[in-house]
Amino acid sequence: SQKIEQNSEALNIQEGKTATLTCNYTNYSPAYLQWYRQDPGRGPVFLLLIRENEKEKRKERLKVTFDTTLKQSLFHITASQPADSATYLCALVNRLAFGKGNQVVVIP
Amino acid sequence: DGGITQSPKYLFRKEGQNVTLSCEQNLNHDAMYWYRQDPGQGLRLIYYSQIVNDFQKGDIAEGYSVSREKKESFPLTVTSAQKNPTAFYLCASSRTSSSSYEQYFGPGTRLTVT
Repeated sequence: SQKIEQNSEALNIQEGKTATLTCNYTNYSPAYLQWYRQDPGRGPVFLLLIRENEKEKRKERLKVTFDTTLKQSLFHITASQPADSATYLCALVNRLAFGKGNQVVVIP
Repeated sequence: DGGITQSPKYLFRKEGQNVTLSCEQNLNHDAMYWYRQDPGQGLRLIYYSQIVNDFQKGDIAEGYSVSREKKESFPLTVTSAQKNPTAFYLCASSRTSSSSYEQYFGPGTRLTVT
């Protein structure tokens, strides 16, 4: 069955540094992969989609990479700010499947 | 003000009772979804609908039922057959023609069954 793995441990990072999150998947070769942000007690908010033929996608301070050989996507928040503190979820679009999410805590 | 509304935000029920969670959208989206989120777990798909009067089971449909009589509405009923109904329930919608396949989520309903 489809499996999406995100590191369950929270990532604590100093303000201004780059936070990097990993999303690994198995048993499927998705054409698209999405990243969402979720704040406590709220619904996820869409951030970025990356296609299999795109190696990298950027949006403001966010950067996503997609390596279909490794079956992995990396999500980077550059120049992190306390307001970036949240849980970030990756999702396989075609399967309507989400990872468990990875919490980021940016320390001022 | 466009978006998805879910009501109520908090819901309490006794074991053995059916309960219906509301989900309404005014985004004119064709597709709607229901997910369940438990602590430390990701979103798990319960049901989804891509068109009015049609819906499909997701990964964990047992103990749940839905209807899609109107484009704007996709209510979820948690039946007494659901063994562990206490959870955070999220409704979402999307345009089937969207190039980003973005799902728009509601604020969620936290259901507690005792």
